[in-house]
Amino acid sequence: DQQVKQNSPSLSVQEGRISILNCDYTNSMFDYFLWYKKYPAEGPTFLISISSIKDKNEDGRFTVFLNKSAKHLSLHIVPSQPGDSAVYFCAGETSSFGNEKLTFGTGTRLTIIP
Amino acid sequence: DTGVSQDPRHKITKRGQNVTFRCDPISEHNRLYWYRQTLGQGPEFLTYFQNEAQLEKSRLLSDRFSAERPKGSFSTLEIQRTEQGDSAMYLCASSLNGGRGEKLFFGSGTQLSVL
Repeated sequence: DQQVKQNSPSLSVQEGRISILNCDYTNSMFDYFLWYKKYPAEGPTFLISISSIKDKNEDGRFTVFLNKSAKHLSLHIVPSQPGDSAVYFCAGETSSFGNEKLTFGTGTRLTIIP
Repeated sequence: DTGVSQDPRHKITKRGQNVTFRCDPISEHNRLYWYRQTLGQGPEFLTYFQNEAQLEKSRLLSDRFSAERPKGSFSTLEIQRTEQGDSAMYLCASSLNGGRGEKLFFGSGTQLSVL
């Protein structure tokens, strides 16, 4: 049961343009959604999160949009830079005490072309 | 803040052997999590601790897996009688309180290969 889906395994974007990474979910109980970035041989690093009661959160070049009715979220990176090349994971979190864990998608490999 | 530290970085073992991994979280963090990642997949939750108490264990975690966090500091993950299907990257993460969208800080992981 894949509760969080990232249907694009890879994405290539030219430097300076916008990168849009998509994520769909099925679990209506998620209270938060988080995006993590992962470089090879390193652990994931946190990028940005959004509460399920919001529809947008912005942090510098990164903006996450949430469409709850469609159970869809997207991460926008503007402008894209070569250092953004990495695997991006979307994750959902349920926040009832004792049950706070992240459910990750399978990831999208983003390649920024100079 | 020295980050989350995991040891060893790589472990090669033969099927049937026991292995133990260690995780040192960020010192003031109360929550400690273990995840497992296989090739082409996202990290998969295994278990987590609030201080020394183990709050949840994934249904996917067989009885061969056990985790401890004595005194609420470092944690160990032991796999007994390893199988080839246990080959994966084992990730440890910590956070201050956990939940409510709080970010997790991940270590670099332990890559386990079972031959």
